Amino acid sequence: NAGVTQTPKFQVLKTGQSMTLQCAQDMNHEYMSWYRQDPGMGLRLIHYSVGAGITDQGEVPNGYNVSRSTTEDFPLRLLSAAPSQTSVYFCASRPHLAASSEAFFGQGTRLTVV
Amino acid sequence: AQKVTQAQTEISVVEKEDVTLDCVYETRDTTYYLFWYKQPPSGELVFLIRRNSFDEQNEISGRYSWNFQKSTSSFNFTITASQVVDSAVYFCALSEGANDMRFGAGTRLTVKP
Repeated sequence: NAGVTQTPKFQVLKTGQSMTLQCAQDMNHEYMSWYRQDPGMGLRLIHYSVGAGITDQGEVPNGYNVSRSTTEDFPLRLLSAAPSQTSVYFCASRPHLAASSEAFFGQGTRLTVV
Repeated sequence: AQKVTQAQTEISVVEKEDVTLDCVYETRDTTYYLFWYKQPPSGELVFLIRRNSFDEQNEISGRYSWNFQKSTSSFNFTITASQVVDSAVYFCALSEGANDMRFGAGTRLTVKP
């Protein structure tokens, strides 16, 4: 009963490095999304996907890329990390993009860019 | 545009006190859903409750209760007889139509023994 699994849990990057945050869900949910959590700002939507092959930008997409080749996986790529991307990242899935469906969250990835 | 405001950044209470966390929202839709999530010190986000815009009945679950008032666009959360284990950050969220959830900034609750 894994739910939403994120890896890694912690990561330190140097400015300019690239990396991919992994997210996988085993609930056959159509909708997946990435949020970042910063102090005093709640959770802000980075990118989302309503199904395999379909992605779109959220509130704060700059500096991040995503793809959705399968229903299960939704990786988040940082092409050239910047200190402003230091944050806690959460992946979430929902059964469908309807207002009524709750979001299931992964455990989070704490990223520090130095 | 949807917006969620949690004006209380931090609240500190002593164990067994009652505490209310405020949530005010803005939306133009008549059909929408409100959520509360808990984020304990371990960091995960735990779903607490969902309420739709057509159901203004208050909800009680053990020590937790929620008061939804459309007239004031508020969905407040009360913890009765707080316990140390209630210490967490609590998020209110709004979901409408095909838009994704919009979260408030969160309220950090500290319950002291």
